[in-house]
Amino acid sequence: DAMVIQNPRYQVTQFGKPVTLSCSQTLNHNVMYWYQQKSSQAPKLLFHYYDKDFNNEADTPDNFQSRRPNTSFCFLDIRSPGLGDTAMYLCATVTSEKGSYNEQFFGPGTRLTVL
Amino acid sequence: QKEVEQDPGPLSVPEGAIVSLNCTYSNSAFQYFMWYRQYSRKGPELLMYTYSSGNKEDGRFTAQVDKSSKYISLFIRDSQPSDSATYLCAMSTSYNFNKFYFGSGTKLNVKP
Repeated sequence: DAMVIQNPRYQVTQFGKPVTLSCSQTLNHNVMYWYQQKSSQAPKLLFHYYDKDFNNEADTPDNFQSRRPNTSFCFLDIRSPGLGDTAMYLCATVTSEKGSYNEQFFGPGTRLTVL
Repeated sequence: QKEVEQDPGPLSVPEGAIVSLNCTYSNSAFQYFMWYRQYSRKGPELLMYTYSSGNKEDGRFTAQVDKSSKYISLFIRDSQPSDSATYLCAMSTSYNFNKFYFGSGTKLNVKP
């Protein structure tokens, strides 16, 4: 089945220790997103890629970076995690093909805990 | 003011009840409206989407959009314990349809 896959599902890291979260998709969608979701809050958009074009939200901390080496894969790097970065990180995809672009598909998320 | 407001609940109903979930928004440019269901510790899954105003029905679910009031609703008929989840509304504009604005979600508990 076509899907969005995130690894790892759970990650525990120490304060200040870099961490990388990965996302892969078999949907061949050209738009990929990273969201941060804290408990009982709306998903907060961190970045998105439209094809290879990188779009950074104005309020995304510099501590967060992303890479998209090809259509299928996307990575979220947190250079120096703080306690406030404990959250669920969601990867999502969309196709910009007309008629389908409002159907955003999410991965299962990576639950990150910073100690 | 947040662009999308959603009552966080929790909303607790008996099995078989009709559930009404709602969102209000402030940006009149929103044209696409989505409802997602999110089970605990899982990613959101798309339930329904509508374009502009009107109703859309899919099985036990009905989505309504009232653009004049900037108000959207999701109705669940004959609610089941398996419907217990957090429901998120989301919206986007026609000129920047790649960007989605989410509500904070309403937690629903359907009691057997």
